[in-house]
Amino acid sequence: DTGVSQNPRHKITKRGQNVTFRCDPISEHNRLYWYRQTLGQGPEFLTYFQNEAQLEKSRLLSDRFSAERPKGSFSTLEIQRTEQGDSAMYLCASSFVGTGLKLPQTYEQYFGPGTRLTVT
Amino acid sequence: AQSVAQPEDQVNVAEGNPLTVKCTYSVSGNPYLFWYVQYPNRGLQFLLKYITGDNLVKGSYGFEAEFNKSQTSFHLKKPSALVSDSALYFCAALTGGFKTIFGAGTRLFVKA
Repeated sequence: DTGVSQNPRHKITKRGQNVTFRCDPISEHNRLYWYRQTLGQGPEFLTYFQNEAQLEKSRLLSDRFSAERPKGSFSTLEIQRTEQGDSAMYLCASSFVGTGLKLPQTYEQYFGPGTRLTVT
Repeated sequence: AQSVAQPEDQVNVAEGNPLTVKCTYSVSGNPYLFWYVQYPNRGLQFLLKYITGDNLVKGSYGFEAEFNKSQTSFHLKKPSALVSDSALYFCAALTGGFKTIFGAGTRLFVKA
């Protein structure tokens, strides 16, 4: 397993356009998280999946943001009608928490390299 | 509101000297605590965690952290700093079983 991957690594878009990012977690990790990180700040929680179910979404997240994790594998994060304030690094992370015997519970998260979004 | 505080934006230390990066938390219940490191142009990497048990936990690259419940702190330490330790360090708390709250980060500079 090569870890968490994210695509694209960089995205430049014009204000008002829609963008979609993809995250491929570590296989067999049942939890997947999306964060946003701006310069000088720690990652800010956006949303979280347990398998394919989206269990929590930050109140800070506007309705322009939507995330999916079909079949509990990869996930996509879409931002509609982008604004300049959306410019940030978008991070994906995965972990395993459960009672399965195949993997120890990790609780710690394994992060991808991030997608840097610039809205012009 | 629940929060994680890293009171120092930057820590400077000479190579070979001990280092401490401070972290305090304000969360309900018994949080799980973590330290992550971020090198330039790379994703966050897990360093160590406190779940339960011994208050002193050891992690990657010779780092350790001490959990202090009465002071609600989880300071990161290393006995002898290396230039290669220079990076951005984040303290984090896992609350309510799933949501992780991160501190703002502390930039560590180790001078040769």
